[in-house]
Amino acid sequence: EDQVTQSPEALRLQEGESSSLNCSYTVSGLRGLFWYRQDPGKGPEFLFTLYSAGEEKEKERLKATLTKKESFLHITAPKPEDSATYLCAVRLSGGSYIPTFGRGTSLIVHP
Amino acid sequence: DTGVSQNPRHKITKRGQNVTFRCDPISEHNRLYWYRQTLGQGPEFLTYFQNEAQLEKSRLLSDRFSAERPKGSFSTLEIQRTEQGDSAMYLCASSGGGAGAEAFFGQGTRLTVV
Repeated sequence: EDQVTQSPEALRLQEGESSSLNCSYTVSGLRGLFWYRQDPGKGPEFLFTLYSAGEEKEKERLKATLTKKESFLHITAPKPEDSATYLCAVRLSGGSYIPTFGRGTSLIVHP
Repeated sequence: DTGVSQNPRHKITKRGQNVTFRCDPISEHNRLYWYRQTLGQGPEFLTYFQNEAQLEKSRLLSDRFSAERPKGSFSTLEIQRTEQGDSAMYLCASSGGGAGAEAFFGQGTRLTVV
């Protein structure tokens, strides 16, 4: 069973059409939830870290929020350059420092 | 540039050959991770170092794979007797600070086994 589930798998938006991506996790003892952006053929680029329910982080058109069992990445008025795969990862308590990734959401923003 | 550096960026090899990849982490980071990523999937954990100690290995990691991090600096990942199924992007990441510190990735090494 996947510990980190991202939805939708793929999302197509028109430029300016706001939407949200979801990341849910099934384990307890969260020691950090991370969002990354990945462009084709490149390594993931770090965006945000969230540690506790109710926390929010913003960067340009992106806003990440966290509840007890899921996180949302809100994209406001997206532009074509926001097209990428967005990955979510969690790090758990209990001694392991290894981030576990979801499969990602592929976002395409049409002009 | 003080980010994570991986070499080579691309590697094409014949089935059965051995390959080695190198990762230079951010200099002050003591934790280093190797991941593998195939098309349409998220990064899949392979192995983890804290300083020079290899603390965890994925159960999925074949015995053809070996990784080292001598002196707690750069790391190498070797794949022996490559198979077509080894074709993937191999990603290295490093982190420092506390348990919740984020990991920063390199640009990856794209391996193609023909």
